[in-house]
Amino acid sequence: DAGVIQSPRHEVTEMGQEVTLRCKPISGHNSLFWYRQTMMRGLELLIYFNNNVPIDDSGMPEDRFSAKMPNASFSTLKIQPSEPRDSAVYFCASSLWEGSGNTIYFGEGSWLTVV
Amino acid sequence: QQQVKQSPQSLIVQKGGISIINCAYENTAFDYFPWYQQFPGKGPALLIAIRPDVSEKKEGRFTISFNKSAKQFSLHIMDSQPGDSATYFCAASRRRSSYKLIFGSGTRLLVRP
Repeated sequence: DAGVIQSPRHEVTEMGQEVTLRCKPISGHNSLFWYRQTMMRGLELLIYFNNNVPIDDSGMPEDRFSAKMPNASFSTLKIQPSEPRDSAVYFCASSLWEGSGNTIYFGEGSWLTVV
Repeated sequence: QQQVKQSPQSLIVQKGGISIINCAYENTAFDYFPWYQQFPGKGPALLIAIRPDVSEKKEGRFTISFNKSAKQFSLHIMDSQPGDSATYFCAASRRRSSYKLIFGSGTRLLVRP
């Protein structure tokens, strides 16, 4: 089975540009997560979708960040405008939600560098 | 109260040795404690998980020990191998928001041949 697929794997962009990260969750999973990983802050949950509906976006750092999940097989995380402090690895993850203790499957990440 | 504190930050072990990573938490509402393993350039992957109703769980060379009264849990890697070299994250979640894993800061393990 294919795992969580993210694109692009690497992105270098200039400050002020729009960045769109894409994710295809594992087929059949009903929960999708966007995480950000940095040396300083570790792994942080940005937003959580269940059945394509955003349930918890309390981790989204500011209005420059937005996420959508138009259908069960696709999600985007957009940063507009991007800033150097947004440089991080962004992980998409998915899970089959059946209550507490579900295994979360991570993609390989999108490495973002904003210069 | 939402934090999970992990130590050590890095660990070097000889092949065949035991690797021990510790985590502590404050929130007694946490009821699920997974460990994730992350190799360079990859996403974290679930290694093993435990609930507070048991004190130990073993899967192959990997064991979680859980001390509910001390609010601590640890990962033991027996007979450590160079292929175990990775970053390990403990995590915790609570029943009311069980989707929300709170991750520790990570331990970078290097197993020397």
